[in-house]
Amino acid sequence: KAGVTQTPRYLIKTRGQQVTLSCSPISGHRSVSWYQQTPGQGLQFLFEYFSETQRNKGNFPGRFSGRQFSNSRSEMNVSTLELGDSALYLCASSLGTGSYGYTFGSGTRLTVV
Amino acid sequence: DQQVKQNSPSLSVQEGRISILNCDYTNSMFDYFLWYKKYPAEGPTFLISISSIKDKNEDGRFTVFLNKSAKHLSLHIVPSQPGDSAVYFCAASASEAGSYQLTFGKGTKLSVIP
Repeated sequence: KAGVTQTPRYLIKTRGQQVTLSCSPISGHRSVSWYQQTPGQGLQFLFEYFSETQRNKGNFPGRFSGRQFSNSRSEMNVSTLELGDSALYLCASSLGTGSYGYTFGSGTRLTVV
Repeated sequence: DQQVKQNSPSLSVQEGRISILNCDYTNSMFDYFLWYKKYPAEGPTFLISISSIKDKNEDGRFTVFLNKSAKHLSLHIVPSQPGDSAVYFCAASASEAGSYQLTFGKGTKLSVIP
């Protein structure tokens, strides 16, 4: 079966712009989580969505937001980009109920210049 | 405040020998632990997990040990193979209602030398 698909793979944006990243989960998975990976901080939890509802949110400013659609696809948005937002953004999907079987996508590499 | 710590940024092991990767945690609410393996330019791949009601879980060459009193877990790979060379992340979760957030360590880069 198809894995978790993230688009685009690479992105270069200018400070102050906004960006939208997309994640298509594995078919049948209803939970989608987003993580930010940077060399200094490792993988940090952004938020998790289940059945179109945000269940958990990490410690990130309000510039980071997300949503989930009825087909479980998810998008995350970062507004007013800062240089420090340069990172690998990873999406993970799971069944979402009593399961920690997260499958990660390959990520979107965002560079802010 | 880092709740999951992997104190060794890197580890080198000879092929065929045992690799031991360590992880410490501080949050007593964590009750489920996972290990992920990550190659460059790819997302993390799930390896093995353990619930806090167990102290050992085995899957082929991979064994995870959990010492709850010490808040310590370790991943043993026996025998180590060159294809095991990757960054290994320890992750933990607290299974309070509706919380499936994973807290990751910063990773240990394993190099298996042929």
